[in-house]
Amino acid sequence: SQQGEEDPQALSIQEGENATMNCSYKTSINNLQWYRQNSGRGLVHLILIRSNEREKHSGRLRVTLDTSKKSSSLLITASRAADTASYFCATVFSGSARQLTFGSGTQLTVLP
Amino acid sequence: SQTIHQWPATLVQPVGSPLSLECTVEGTSNPNLYWYRQAAGRGLQLLFYSVGIGQISSEVPQNLSASRPQDRQFILSSKKLLLSDSGFYLCAWILASSRWVSPLHFGNGTRLTVT
Repeated sequence: SQQGEEDPQALSIQEGENATMNCSYKTSINNLQWYRQNSGRGLVHLILIRSNEREKHSGRLRVTLDTSKKSSSLLITASRAADTASYFCATVFSGSARQLTFGSGTQLTVLP
Repeated sequence: SQTIHQWPATLVQPVGSPLSLECTVEGTSNPNLYWYRQAAGRGLQLLFYSVGIGQISSEVPQNLSASRPQDRQFILSSKKLLLSDSGFYLCAWILASSRWVSPLHFGNGTRLTVT
């Protein structure tokens, strides 16, 4: 399968701690995107990193991309209870112009 | 600003009944449109995508079909639902001209339960 795979599948941390989620994929990509999904809702885009970028920041989010290892990580710093959600990575493969391929997600629980 | 509407939010249908889920996008033209299905606790499976009116591509063989009768309208249908059609259905759009360097925008989904 070409899809990205997140690790861990579930993560539980205390409020104020940092949360790190990882994503691995198998083929060359154009870009990689991270999405968040609150329970029972649609996905919301968080951040996009292109294949020629190594790191990107947005507020408390930090995304890294290592194309040699075909992996990415999402770091949420100083987590809050409101960060509780599922987080998905999605990849746009170099040979595909029409779709994002999603991983199975990491369920993050931030305990107050 | 662009918005995406998806309805109904929840649906309970008996096996063998028909299905019609609708998705409309406002505030943009000629979007690429997508139907995804999400099983409980799982990732998203792409079902159909459309790059224009009447143009539908299917990603997986299944009991469902899709149509795009207007530029910003995408419909997911079935003539006879199966139990395995239960799931969370998400519609999404992206600017066709974006070359995938802009995000995918999702509706709030339809929770379908086939009984």
